[in-house]
Amino acid sequence: SQQGEEDPQALSIQEGENATMNCSYKTSINNLQWYRQNSGRGLVHLILIRSNEREKHSGRLRVTLDTSKKSSSLLITASRAADTASYFCATGPSSNDYKLSFGAGTTVTVRA
Amino acid sequence: DTAVSQTPKYLVTQMGNDKSIKCEQNLGHDTMYWYKQDSKKFLKIMFSYNNKELIINETVPNRFSPKSPDKAHLNLHINSLELGDSAVYFCASSPGTGSHQPQHFGDGTRLSIL
Repeated sequence: SQQGEEDPQALSIQEGENATMNCSYKTSINNLQWYRQNSGRGLVHLILIRSNEREKHSGRLRVTLDTSKKSSSLLITASRAADTASYFCATGPSSNDYKLSFGAGTTVTVRA
Repeated sequence: DTAVSQTPKYLVTQMGNDKSIKCEQNLGHDTMYWYKQDSKKFLKIMFSYNNKELIINETVPNRFSPKSPDKAHLNLHINSLELGDSAVYFCASSPGTGSHQPQHFGDGTRLSIL
């Protein structure tokens, strides 16, 4: 069954603004990853955060993880048109470390 | 220099037919995956192989049969195609097993059943 659920389903922002999306999950995890999917393409790995970490940065990306609330957030700062894509969280459950469980994603549109 | 490549990119076929999708990775990874993405973009794992050995076999109809001739290739054969099989199928690879491994995805095969 689906583990991660992203919120909102869709987000439209102006170029230069920040975009924040959230991911909630149900069971305990070892790690959580964020991926980007451009239209018609495969998913691209963005960042991994482990269950003992609270925050990670990569360029204009900032990811937080709150295991007590079973939630994570992805912040994209100073958005660009090229950031237009769908963003997925994927959880690595503690019960089965072989697989990732993906949500249905947040579709982000950055208007020029 | 494509890392994970799938063929064909588009597949349009009639209900009841049998079809195959091929996947190859040139990253030297040990682990490969098949995912199904439905019309709502929900991505679901189907199978995973590590060094040609099946390690994940989710609840999918047995009309779907994966084959890994070597660790660089993972093919998916589908028998007796049904309307509900229409989706985008993604192949992915990772250096090894373990959910912490970042996965590298192909660009998908868009399967449409008429």
